[in-house]
Amino acid sequence: QSALTQPRSVSGSPGQSVTISCTGTSSDVANYNFVSWYQQYPGKAPKLMIYDVTKRPSGVPDRFSGSKSDKTASLTISGLQAEDEADYYCCSYAGSYTQVFGTGTKVTVL
Amino acid sequence: EVQLLESGGGLVQPGESLRLSCAASGFTFDNYAMSWVRQAPGKGLEWVANVGDSGATTYYADSVKGRFTISRDNSKNMVFLQMNSLRVEDTAVYYCAGGQWLVSPFDYWGQGTLVAVSS
Repeated sequence: QSALTQPRSVSGSPGQSVTISCTGTSSDVANYNFVSWYQQYPGKAPKLMIYDVTKRPSGVPDRFSGSKSDKTASLTISGLQAEDEADYYCCSYAGSYTQVFGTGTKVTVL
Repeated sequence: EVQLLESGGGLVQPGESLRLSCAASGFTFDNYAMSWVRQAPGKGLEWVANVGDSGATTYYADSVKGRFTISRDNSKNMVFLQMNSLRVEDTAVYYCAGGQWLVSPFDYWGQGTLVAVSS
């Protein structure tokens, strides 16, 4: 149950696109299409942004998109906005009804 | 409106026990699997445990297996986390979270309760 690997931080100017990677193993990310992404503001609870690799819950802007290739999942934020500045965590099903989170990425809007 | 309200956090010494509670409302509680997720100060999220919709099945992270017990009471729309033999490294904000199945993402989150383990 080792944490998935994410870059510590990414940044971009308003209107640009940023992509956050999430690298796991053949036991989690590569083996299941159950990758989700969460947005967290300081002192607040996480919020589900993407689930099942590519799906967006109702109310999440379509600027947020997800993808996966083998052991690496990615979250892309297109048309970056000031309100997107937050921490983002990936999460994958890891078998035997367990879940594993990523190390987290801080997104900074320049 | 969906609400998850955690309680029971506090300051304890290493080796002591604590029981967290989470009261749910605004959704069909017994149709959802429930989990506890924790976040140490300044650190990332860590899945701790989950319980199936009936309460019959429970699963744990290796870091808490044998020390923590998750349970639920569907008659009261509540989920619990009994934490025994607490360690300094268990210090964290503990979130209650809900997803439709045990493999599902976490649709609903509480605001968290802080557990501090220190001598």
